[in-house]
Amino acid sequence: GESVGLHLPTLSVQEGDNSIINCAYSNSASDYFIWYKQESGKGPQFIIDIRSNMDKRQGQRVTVLLNKTVKHLSLQIAATQPGDSAVYFCAENTGTASKLTFGTGTRLQVTL
Amino acid sequence: NAGVMQNPRHLVRRRGQEARLRCSPMKGHSHVYWYRQLPEEGLKFMVYLQKENIIDESGMPKERFSAEFPKEGPSILRIQQVVRGDSAAYFCASSRGSLTYEQYFGPGTRLTVT
Repeated sequence: GESVGLHLPTLSVQEGDNSIINCAYSNSASDYFIWYKQESGKGPQFIIDIRSNMDKRQGQRVTVLLNKTVKHLSLQIAATQPGDSAVYFCAENTGTASKLTFGTGTRLQVTL
Repeated sequence: NAGVMQNPRHLVRRRGQEARLRCSPMKGHSHVYWYRQLPEEGLKFMVYLQKENIIDESGMPKERFSAEFPKEGPSILRIQQVVRGDSAAYFCASSRGSLTYEQYFGPGTRLTVT
């Protein structure tokens, strides 16, 4: 079936460096994508979203890039901080305010 | 401005008992979603409800699981005759309306079946 998946299960980054977390999706009908951050014992926290009519969207220290040709999504975190340590999920929505399909997650570890 | 609230945060049940999980959406939100998360895995959609209506229950197991979102009060996810495989974190999310995609998540209920 259609699914959203991630390339790397764990990413280790030094404090101050930039982080890039990748996500592949297979449903070409998906038109909305979201990145969530989940800290241990907590619910997912919205980071940034992007619609399929855009290639790039920037937030505070974060940028999401969407490549529809190869069905690839990435989250870039600038100047990674210890507080960024968490599991990051991409999720997709196929046009109705219904279910989100989540990827398996990438654990980001920030080393000092 | 309170976020999505879930209770209890932790729930322990013996096999065969019933589990009731509650979710109060954010103020002004009338759409509720339930997801299940197993350890080290992503969230899996279970059900989408609006007030007094189930809109999409394609992710709900056919037996033992039910959900409701009454006109008054919180949304309830009910699991009857729990089994060990039901042990997971259950998250509720809410959104403002059908034209708003962004879903805000609660802290989750961690269900342990012994």
